[in-house]
Amino acid sequence: GENVEQHPSTLSVQEGDSAVIKCTYSDSASNYFPWYKQELGKRPQLIIDIRSNVGEKKDQRIAVTLNKTAKHFSLHITETQPEDSAVYFCAASRDSGYALNFGKGTSLLVTP
Amino acid sequence: NAGVMQNPRHLVRRRGQEARLRCSPMKGHSHVYWYRQLPEEGLKFMVYLQKENIIDESGMPKERFSAEFPKEGPSILRIQQVVRGDSAAYFCASSSGDHGAFFGQGTRLTVV
Repeated sequence: GENVEQHPSTLSVQEGDSAVIKCTYSDSASNYFPWYKQELGKRPQLIIDIRSNVGEKKDQRIAVTLNKTAKHFSLHITETQPEDSAVYFCAASRDSGYALNFGKGTSLLVTP
Repeated sequence: NAGVMQNPRHLVRRRGQEARLRCSPMKGHSHVYWYRQLPEEGLKFMVYLQKENIIDESGMPKERFSAEFPKEGPSILRIQQVVRGDSAAYFCASSSGDHGAFFGQGTRLTVV
């Protein structure tokens, strides 16, 4: 089955700096890679996703890159703000309708 | 659109009792997924259902756990004879199949 590894497990940055979270996956049949943000005690929220036919996708301060050959994908947050503080999860699946395999999460802290 | 609705939000059960968790998907979504989250950990896939069908139950424990998504009404995750180790947050997600999955607020199960 699919195995998703996520690094780092914790990340602390100063407000305004960039944050990068990296994930690797094992199943070459995976084609869909979403990222979720989960604030304490809240539901995971989909923030961006990418499919394997695209190498990069950007939405305002958030971007995701995918290297299908190397089986890794990354989340980039620029100009971080304190409200970006949360746990971020990467995931992989065969397609958007299939079950997701999640990484263990990265706890991001943005200090003012 | 009310989003994915889960109830109850909090559930306390004594060891040996049954727990029933309910999930109503977003309007227009026919795919339902259940995930379990232990404290400080990621989301573990349990089961994927469409109306009246279990599509993938590879993450579901073989005993005591069952799930259904009937033609009418919400999806139900049922845990029989609960044990302390079942204490966790159980999240339901729904999808149209074409786009990413959206999560409910979760049910926090505590077994005492």
